[in-house]
Amino acid sequence: AQSVTQPDIHITVSEGASLELRCNYSYGATPYLFWYVQSPGQGLQLLLKYFSGDTLVQGIKGFEAEFKRSQSSFNLRKPSVHWSDAAEYFCGGAGNKLTFGGGTRVLVKP
Amino acid sequence: DTAVSQTPKYLVTQMGNDKSIKCEQNLGHDTMYWYKQDSKKFLKIMFSYNNKELIINETVPNRFSPKSPDKAHLNLHINSLELGDSAVYFCASSPRGGDYGYTFGSGTRLTVV
Repeated sequence: AQSVTQPDIHITVSEGASLELRCNYSYGATPYLFWYVQSPGQGLQLLLKYFSGDTLVQGIKGFEAEFKRSQSSFNLRKPSVHWSDAAEYFCGGAGNKLTFGGGTRVLVKP
Repeated sequence: DTAVSQTPKYLVTQMGNDKSIKCEQNLGHDTMYWYKQDSKKFLKIMFSYNNKELIINETVPNRFSPKSPDKAHLNLHINSLELGDSAVYFCASSPRGGDYGYTFGSGTRLTVV
């Protein structure tokens, strides 16, 4: 079955520190992969997407993600976190439909 | 110039009532979706319409009935509301089959009391 897994339910990081959120996928072929962010009380905003080509993808708000076929992973990174990055992050994979992981809540300490 | 707009934003209703949520997109996308986000933040697709035709219907109780009068609109009608229907419902749209990412509305928080 097609699925996306986010192993970390929540992560706490200090402001200015780096952030990495993990995402693993299980699809028959390489799916289209996405990262979305949901701020409290808001909808989902697309951060970045991967279809093919360069395995390091740049997104908005200073985020990037790296596709690693050998590890079936698509981890999201940010070199220096700002307090406004506190939110819920969802990894998604699309075969015939977009399926999300369970989300990772990011808390930012001052 | 909201790309995907849902109304209402909040909906509080009693068990047994019937309610509707409306969604409109002005992006010219062909495909629209309904997602349900439960209290633990899990997002699960419910329905998908492509050019007014139902193409995905997950295991959703038949009390939920989507309707797409045209490709820019996808409404969700819920009959005989139950406590377990309380959730945030998101509408989304995408060009073609979703290969290029989905654009989400801001959600409708439904509370059944």
